Amino acid sequence: EVQLLESGGGLVQPGGSLRVSCEASGFTFSTYAMSWVRQAPGKGLEWVSGISRSGGSTHYADSVKGRFTISRDNSKNTLYLQVNILTAEDTAIYYCARRLAGGSYGALDIWGQGTMVTVSS
Amino acid sequence: QSVLTQPPSASGTPGQRVTISCSGSSSNIGSNTVNWYQHLPGTAPKLLIYSNNQPPSGVPDRFSGSKSDTSASLAISGLQSEDEADYYCAVWDDSLNGVVFGGGTKLTVL
Repeated sequence: EVQLLESGGGLVQPGGSLRVSCEASGFTFSTYAMSWVRQAPGKGLEWVSGISRSGGSTHYADSVKGRFTISRDNSKNTLYLQVNILTAEDTAIYYCARRLAGGSYGALDIWGQGTMVTVSS
Repeated sequence: QSVLTQPPSASGTPGQRVTISCSGSSSNIGSNTVNWYQHLPGTAPKLLIYSNNQPPSGVPDRFSGSKSDTSASLAISGLQSEDEADYYCAVWDDSLNGVVFGGGTKLTVL
């Protein structure tokens, strides 16, 4: 079964850091570009970051540029998002998602169930 | 405020046809393909339409998409109670160098 499983969310203080992970199974992870998308409480979906199949190309939303770092380890079938200098506005469910083969950057066909990151003192 | 504009809400009765619009600009919808998602609270979003009008395998043909210039639309025909959800458009933006989502439309089946 094709699956994405996020982990690493939790409660962190303002200004703190966290690394969330996404383990892929059921498909050849190294052949797919990946993205992180978040949803703050009561808000809509917001694309956060994307990474190419090899990890050599990355993109970020302006709201997280300079604070978040996306990476991947194809040998471990795992996607990461290092989040630094967190503020209350970063409180959200963080989803990892697979880019559809042959699709555009915004075409994400497989999603995990999400991991909750709460920024609060 | 999102770069892509969607109506915050839409509604219809069972069996009806409803459309949800997504308005953008030349840097996003005007030059890239549009994707649509269905999202029920507490679940993972689901890709409904990609490349403007292509449904992934398993998506009922009641769902269809279209694009014209800097706007796109999602149409749902034969509305069913299980279609009650939030719907989002998403597209690459050449100016922002990233993906942008619309603000979302909450569909209510009356």
